Amino acid sequence: GAGVSQSPRYKVAKRGQDVALRCDPISGHVSLFWYQQALGQGPEFLTYFQNEAQLDKSGLPSDRFFAERPEGSVSTLKIQRTQQEDSAVYLCASSRGTSGSRTYEQYFGPGTRLTVT
Amino acid sequence: GQNIDQPTEMTATEGAIVQINCTYQTSGFNGLFWYQQHAGEAPTFLSYNVLDGLEEKGRFSSFLSRSKGYSYLLLKELQMKDSASYLCAVSADYGGATNKLIFGTGTLLAVQP
Repeated sequence: GAGVSQSPRYKVAKRGQDVALRCDPISGHVSLFWYQQALGQGPEFLTYFQNEAQLDKSGLPSDRFFAERPEGSVSTLKIQRTQQEDSAVYLCASSRGTSGSRTYEQYFGPGTRLTVT
Repeated sequence: GQNIDQPTEMTATEGAIVQINCTYQTSGFNGLFWYQQHAGEAPTFLSYNVLDGLEEKGRFSSFLSRSKGYSYLLLKELQMKDSASYLCAVSADYGGATNKLIFGTGTLLAVQP
């Protein structure tokens, strides 16, 4: 079946521009995560949705970052007034969530590579 | 807070066995995951451990000791295509989402002929 897809794959923005990154999770997955990955580092958690509810946004680096998932499926990560330090790969992941003591694995999309010039 | 440590780089020979270690400190542990990530690609799921012991899946095995906060990923019969970054990630009760993952920095494995 179809995996997680993200668009665009590459985005170049001038400093100060707003960007919107899209994530299409695997159908039926209730959990959706956004991560930021710098070169040579592991992904860092940004925010988490369970269906349409944003339950954790503790990883968002500033109030310029905003995420939504209005219908519990597609999600958008928006970055306002981009800065050079926002340059990174933004990964989206989805999963079935949890069941009892089991935490289901997350499936990652290919990421959006954002470069702020 | 949480602390996940794994070696930055490792080198191994084609056909050999390599063990990648991961140590972590966390409370409310919910499970440990290993992911493989080739350069420029998305992480792909390899294994999940929530109970102590060894989980085997083909050429890859993963071990967990919760009391020691320790896991390893064992790769057998190494192939050139196994050259990638291997990410250790812990799921725990972090006070918000109960199934978000905290990743280590990854171990870059280079397989040489």
